[in-house]
Amino acid sequence: AQTVTQSQPEMSVQEAETVTLSCTYDTSESDYYLFWYKQPPSRQMILVIRQEAYKQQNATENRFSVNFQKAAKSFSLKISDSQLGDAAMYFCAYRSAFGHNFNKFYFGSGTKLNVKP
Amino acid sequence: NAGVTQTPKFQVLKTGQSMTLQCAQDMNHEYMSWYRQDPGMGLRLIHYSVGAGITDQGEVPNGYNVSRSTTEDFPLRLLSAAPSQTSVYFCASSYRDPRPDTQYFGPGTRLTVL
Repeated sequence: AQTVTQSQPEMSVQEAETVTLSCTYDTSESDYYLFWYKQPPSRQMILVIRQEAYKQQNATENRFSVNFQKAAKSFSLKISDSQLGDAAMYFCAYRSAFGHNFNKFYFGSGTKLNVKP
Repeated sequence: NAGVTQTPKFQVLKTGQSMTLQCAQDMNHEYMSWYRQDPGMGLRLIHYSVGAGITDQGEVPNGYNVSRSTTEDFPLRLLSAAPSQTSVYFCASSYRDPRPDTQYFGPGTRLTVL
């Protein structure tokens, strides 16, 4: 089974500054999707950004961008101009693009992001 | 369009009791899944379904049953609750074709087994 590792249990950032959350994954597949989800205290899982492995260009959504390094199996999330509302748990997730496993999501253990005013 | 809904939001059970967590989606998604979230462990897949009448096991299926009689509904049954099943449960759904997409999550059910 695929594994997703988030090595930073907790991080802090000053408001308006930039922070990068790390994620690595292990897979033998060549085609897959990667996601970052945000979970605020409300517990709702909110999609932040997604990356398709066959696309070399890094995904960007407003203040959120990723650094996708396929050979290194690394998928980090950069949050620019951090806001108080960005404080939450962030989960990295992997999903196969085809085959028997392609409905299965594999999640990392999460990184708690604190934003200081 | 309500998205993915789950009921109840909170539940307390005694060991050995049974109950069903309800999940429904109105987006005509083929795929539906159940996850449990425990502290420090992220989300783990319990069971999933690729369409009405088809279900399969995920990483942690023991102690849980599912069925999928309609596209919209995917209930999760605990036949004999155990304290180890204390967790937050999430239901999720997604499209399958032409390419699998992200999953949309329900608001979660916090279950405590005493």
